[in-house]
Amino acid sequence: EVHLVESGGGLVKPGESLRLSCTASGFTFSSYNMNWVRQAPGKGLEWVSSISSSSSYIYYADSMKGRFALSRDNAKNSLYLQMNSLRAEDTAVYYCARATSSNNFDYWGQGTLVTVSS
Amino acid sequence: QLVLTQSPSASASLGASVKLTCTLSSGHSSYVIAWHQQQPEKGPRYLMKLNSDGSHTKGDGIPDRFSGSSSGAERYLTISSLQSEDEADYYCQTWGSGIHVFGGGTQLTVL
Repeated sequence: EVHLVESGGGLVKPGESLRLSCTASGFTFSSYNMNWVRQAPGKGLEWVSSISSSSSYIYYADSMKGRFALSRDNAKNSLYLQMNSLRAEDTAVYYCARATSSNNFDYWGQGTLVTVSS
Repeated sequence: QLVLTQSPSASASLGASVKLTCTLSSGHSSYVIAWHQQQPEKGPRYLMKLNSDGSHTKGDGIPDRFSGSSSGAERYLTISSLQSEDEADYYCQTWGSGIHVFGGGTQLTVL
């Protein structure tokens, strides 16, 4: 059974950094593109970033470029999101999601909450 | 620009059927989309991938009550025999040139 478990969320002040992790199990992690999606309180889903199976390709939503860095460690079945220069508007639940070979997302984690507040 | 448009809300009675709509922006009518369900206080759940010809591939364990169809730039999710647990937010997703896009979501109320 596919499982994606996010961790690393918490309360930080504006301008600070945070690193999120997503640990995968139940499938061959190294064969799949992976993604982060976030959801601000009371709002819809917003795509954050994607990384290909071998880390050859990494994409970011425009509002995250230059501040967020996505990486993965296939030996540890783990996905990471380094978030720097955090702003109040980055406050959201961050979800890890697996992409199929067609590129749609087919499995999601339960999310980790990031709160940016002074 | 790749945009997905969804109505903010929909409602239908218990046991009835409902059809939710996701509209692709101009010039993107051939795009494949995916539908996801998000029940209150839960993470999203993948429902299906829906092609422009209406063919669809459902996720693991998704009941037959959920089906998809397409017409031009419109992508539909039909839920029949509505149950209380179908009350949720429904999002469509598409992708292209390295980016992913979500519709604003439709909040479905089961009366």
